[in-house]
Amino acid sequence: DTEVTQTPKHLVMGMTNKKSLKCEQHMGHRAMYWYKQKAKKPPELMFVYSYEKLSINESVPSRFSPECPNSSLLNLHLHALQPEDSALYLCASSPGGFRTDTQYFGPGTRLTVL
Amino acid sequence: AQKITQTQPGMFVQEKEAVTLDCTYDTSDPSYGLFWYKQPSSGEMIFLIYQGSYDQQNATEGRYSLNFQKARKSANLVISASQLGDSAMYFCAMALATYSGAGSYQLTFGKGTKLSVIP
Repeated sequence: DTEVTQTPKHLVMGMTNKKSLKCEQHMGHRAMYWYKQKAKKPPELMFVYSYEKLSINESVPSRFSPECPNSSLLNLHLHALQPEDSALYLCASSPGGFRTDTQYFGPGTRLTVL
Repeated sequence: AQKITQTQPGMFVQEKEAVTLDCTYDTSDPSYGLFWYKQPSSGEMIFLIYQGSYDQQNATEGRYSLNFQKARKSANLVISASQLGDSAMYFCAMALATYSGAGSYQLTFGKGTKLSVIP
């Protein structure tokens, strides 16, 4: 089973709202990732958690706040977003931190900021 | 700097024919991994195939095979017997080791190739 789940599938929020995206995997993977993907562009890495510790933060604005409560769960807290933050947000996981490890992606959350 | 190049923004292929999607990469690191992902219009990134830089043989997974030419730094995806469900965006990606903490690597993606399968 290589399933990564993400909720919600779609989210519409105003610029003053606070919302959270959720990602879950039960494959025993120890690395989890958040990507942002604009239309017709490749995914851009935002954050990497390795063994529940934040190991990479690709200079993402502080209005995006990641959290890894345990090895199976990854959240992305959103606050005071801008319309340009509208995008597909993809979560992925991989067994560990090796170059041979495949990242398995979830179905994504389509976010619209009004 | 690490770089992945996909030079074909769009490709058309007749159903049941084979198609090759091009990918070239640039890195000075001798240790790297190359991946191909498929992204249908629904948005999910689906893993297709992997090739390690030290692998001696080209990777194959069902109808997918990877034509790995290390000296030319190319890792082209070959899809045999195309099906209508193969219509999607295809991304080539390279994994490079990072040393930024507990051990992780980053995927660098190409810009993608949109494949359309014609009945």
